[in-house]
Amino acid sequence: GENVEQHPSTLSVQEGDSAVIKCTYSDSASNYFPWYKQELGKRPQLIIDIRSNVGEKKDQRIAVTLNKTAKHFSLHITETQPEDSAVYFCAANFASGGYNKLIFGAGTRLAVHP
Amino acid sequence: EAQVTQNPRYLITVTGKKLTVTCSQNMNHEYMSWYRQDPGLGLRQIYYSMNVEVTDKGDVPEGYKVSRKEKRNFPLILESPSPNQTSLYFCASSKTGFYGYTFGSGTRLTVV
Repeated sequence: GENVEQHPSTLSVQEGDSAVIKCTYSDSASNYFPWYKQELGKRPQLIIDIRSNVGEKKDQRIAVTLNKTAKHFSLHITETQPEDSAVYFCAANFASGGYNKLIFGAGTRLAVHP
Repeated sequence: EAQVTQNPRYLITVTGKKLTVTCSQNMNHEYMSWYRQDPGLGLRQIYYSMNVEVTDKGDVPEGYKVSRKEKRNFPLILESPSPNQTSLYFCASSKTGFYGYTFGSGTRLTVV
C-alpha cells in the first residue's frame, strides 16, 4: 500500500552540527518528494523538494538526496542553528485514480541546542 | 496575498454536536485536501477533492464528510463528533495535487 516511513522520530543536535532525516517510500512510481518544516503552533511550510529526474538538490544549508533504486530520500541540514528546531515532514506523491496525492511521513522533531 | 484560510482556529465541542470547519483558498487551485495531525502519526489525509463536485476518501475518512460546491471552498463536516476526533486539522490546496501545497493555519478541535 501507499506508505512513507520516516526516521528518526526525534533528533537532538548541538548548534553547528549536521542533521540527517531519512524517509523511505513504497511506490516505485512516486516521482515527487517534498520536505515540510512545521514550527511550534504553525502550519507546515515547504522548505525544499526534489523530483525523480535528479539525485540531489541544495538550497543554502539544506539539501535533499534521492535514491530511486532503494526508494529512499534524505534531508540534510548543515551548520544547524536554534531556529532550525521544528518538526520536519517528508512526503511522496502517489497516483490514485488518475490524480496525485501526497502521503506524509510521521515527522521528525529536531531540537538544536545552543 | 495567496492563502488558505481556515476557520475556526480553535473549537471545543461536545460529543454528537454537528460542526463544520471551513476552508477557503484564493489561488484558483483545483486540488484541496484535509489532513489531521496527531502526535507520532504525522499528517494523515481525510478527504481530498480534485475539482468542483469531485471528492474522494483519504486514509482516515470515517466520521467525516466534505463537499466541493465551489472551487474556492472545501468545508469539513463532522456530523456526530466523538472524542477520538480531537486533533489538529489542516486544509491544503494545490494547483494540481502534484506539487506546491499551501496549508491553512490549522484548526485545533477538542471533543469532550
